[in-house]
Amino acid sequence: DAKTTQPPSMDCAEGRAANLPCNHSTISGNEYVYWYRQIHSQGPQYIIHGLKNNETNEMASLIITEDRKSSTLILPHATLRDTAVYYCIVRGGFAGKLIFGQGTELSVKP
Amino acid sequence: KAGVTQTPRYLIKTRGQQVTLSCSPISGHRSVSWYQQTPGQGLQFLFEYFSETQRNKGNFPGRFSGRQFSNSRSEMNVSTLELGDSALYLCASRYGINTDTQYFGPGTRLTVL
Repeated sequence: DAKTTQPPSMDCAEGRAANLPCNHSTISGNEYVYWYRQIHSQGPQYIIHGLKNNETNEMASLIITEDRKSSTLILPHATLRDTAVYYCIVRGGFAGKLIFGQGTELSVKP
Repeated sequence: KAGVTQTPRYLIKTRGQQVTLSCSPISGHRSVSWYQQTPGQGLQFLFEYFSETQRNKGNFPGRFSGRQFSNSRSEMNVSTLELGDSALYLCASRYGINTDTQYFGPGTRLTVL
């Protein structure tokens, strides 16, 4: 599975959009980009995933560059409850193994 | 639909003891994976079970084992506990063994004294 690089921390003002970047320059054609978040000491929560096209659901949007070497998770109107560690994971094939990096600690401030 | 459930939520053991943790997947999910999370190593994959068979295994010593029952519920066992086994143990389930999304439970917090 491809390795991902994320900034260790980011701040965002409440009500503003939070844009969390992820680099995955070694991603291969059949690998998906997944995003999870973990609020302190809880289990990781699935947010969204995609292969090539941009994706949107009720929680967030995922923008994947055309060369697929990077992606951005967008939380359109961040709230204090969005404060968490956000993990970008690249996964392909049939393996159930998710490789978590250090993630980005997002702090949403009033 | 109910989410992944894990029992117990908190556990305190002493060195040398063994422990068994339980995970009930989302209804209809047949695959269960286990992860260990520590402050130093982060989230690490332990193993995955599907149809009562271990399908994938992480880089952990043989003291860590698991099994899955015919109703897809899973248990993991850690024998001869060490202080370094103190961690949050997370279970995740998914429908099958293709690219399905994994959904995590709340975890079991194990403290080894």
